[in-house]
Amino acid sequence: DSGVTQTPKHLITATGQRVTLRCSPRSGDLSVYWYQQSLDQGLQFLIHYYNGEERAKGNILERFSAQQFPDLHSELNLSSLELGDSALYFCASSVGGTLGNTEAFFGQGTRLTVV
Amino acid sequence: GQQLNQSPQSMFIQEGEDVSMNCTSSSIFNTWLWYKQDPGEGPVLLIALYKAGELTSNGRLTAQFGITRKDSFLNISASIPSDVGIYFCAGHQGNYGGSQGNLIFGKGTKLSVKP
Repeated sequence: DSGVTQTPKHLITATGQRVTLRCSPRSGDLSVYWYQQSLDQGLQFLIHYYNGEERAKGNILERFSAQQFPDLHSELNLSSLELGDSALYFCASSVGGTLGNTEAFFGQGTRLTVV
Repeated sequence: GQQLNQSPQSMFIQEGEDVSMNCTSSSIFNTWLWYKQDPGEGPVLLIALYKAGELTSNGRLTAQFGITRKDSFLNISASIPSDVGIYFCAGHQGNYGGSQGNLIFGKGTKLSVKP
């Protein structure tokens, strides 16, 4: 158990809908990263938050947004869903802040299926 | 965006064999991480490297942070069936400890057992 909790584990929704994925980082971790993993693909970096502030953006679509709350949990919002958005979505957390604290620990992921 | 070139893409192993994989980039990284992912699970951190030239072991696994800071390799000695899975390298370019910057992943090396 990595200590990172993602909910829900599975989500099935229709095209055009909006969903929210939730991530609770490990206790004490300030950094949260979101990744998308399609079938047989690598991990595509979406966005990074540190202590409530957005710090880096990857290939995140405009239909997707994220935020990190004061209690450090994070949510990834996916809207106007398309079939191609079906994927595993992972969040990872790390302590951050000082050198040597970039070890990121992953949650079990949310499997999103858009039908 | 930045890319990590991971090779080989896949390989077959026979129990007892040593395995080698590597990751290269045209950019400099401050941190290299190696992960293993089993089907349907989140990636699990194996080894973290923070200094150029650093050589770190974790049981039968050994990884090195290249002197140029643009590459890293992972070796697995005396492979066993449970080594099967997908191995990912990841690099972080951000400032101290990942309070900013992204953590990007290679496309993975898939390890399978020789039939």
